[in-house]
Amino acid sequence: DADVTQTPRNRITKTGKRIMLECSQTKGHDRMYWYRQDPGLGLRLIYYSFDVKDINKGEISDGYSVSRQAQAKFSLSLESAIPNQTALYFCATSDSSGGAGNEQFFGPGTRLTVL
Amino acid sequence: DAKTTQPPSMDCAEGRAANLPCNHSTISGNEYVYWYRQIHSQGPQYIIHGLKNNETNEMASLIITEDRKSSTLILPHATLRDTAVYYCIVRGTRLLTGGGNKLTFGTGTQLKVEL
Repeated sequence: DADVTQTPRNRITKTGKRIMLECSQTKGHDRMYWYRQDPGLGLRLIYYSFDVKDINKGEISDGYSVSRQAQAKFSLSLESAIPNQTALYFCATSDSSGGAGNEQFFGPGTRLTVL
Repeated sequence: DAKTTQPPSMDCAEGRAANLPCNHSTISGNEYVYWYRQIHSQGPQYIIHGLKNNETNEMASLIITEDRKSSTLILPHATLRDTAVYYCIVRGTRLLTGGGNKLTFGTGTQLKVEL
């Protein structure tokens, strides 16, 4: 079984709809992240959480919100989806006890299309 | 975090070594060099990281120049499955509440391994 899972894997929705993307991990990591990727571009950080009670905005948080329901779950919501939020979304995790490694483990991605 | 510069694309023959360069002339003393790769629309995968010394693992080798202003990722025997976008990322490892674990992805190098 995959260590970091994302649901749904693909989603097509209409402008104005509320959408939730979910991420679950079995790695026991305390830190979780949401990134988006647009065609031909690198990943950009939306939100990150260092533990259940800690939520931080990334570089492109406008139009998004998150919820850390448990250490293993981190959800990303689009309250009112718009077409320029069409992108590939990745969840990632890391372990704060990893010292210099700080390796991030990524999920398989969710392809979101907003019509 | 220091900015990195990578060539947009490279080709390599299967079985040969792939040498991917990265410039990070503004790197500071506590910043590590990380390499990730992303195989077509999959989640990025950690490859290797280093500070000053050269590093090797089962996937690749990382050569960092003495002045630390540039580095090279070496895939010793590239295969078709190594075709991917390779990201060089420079960041510190202080675990700050404000976001010491953020990875800043640029556009990377598209490596194409051919027969």
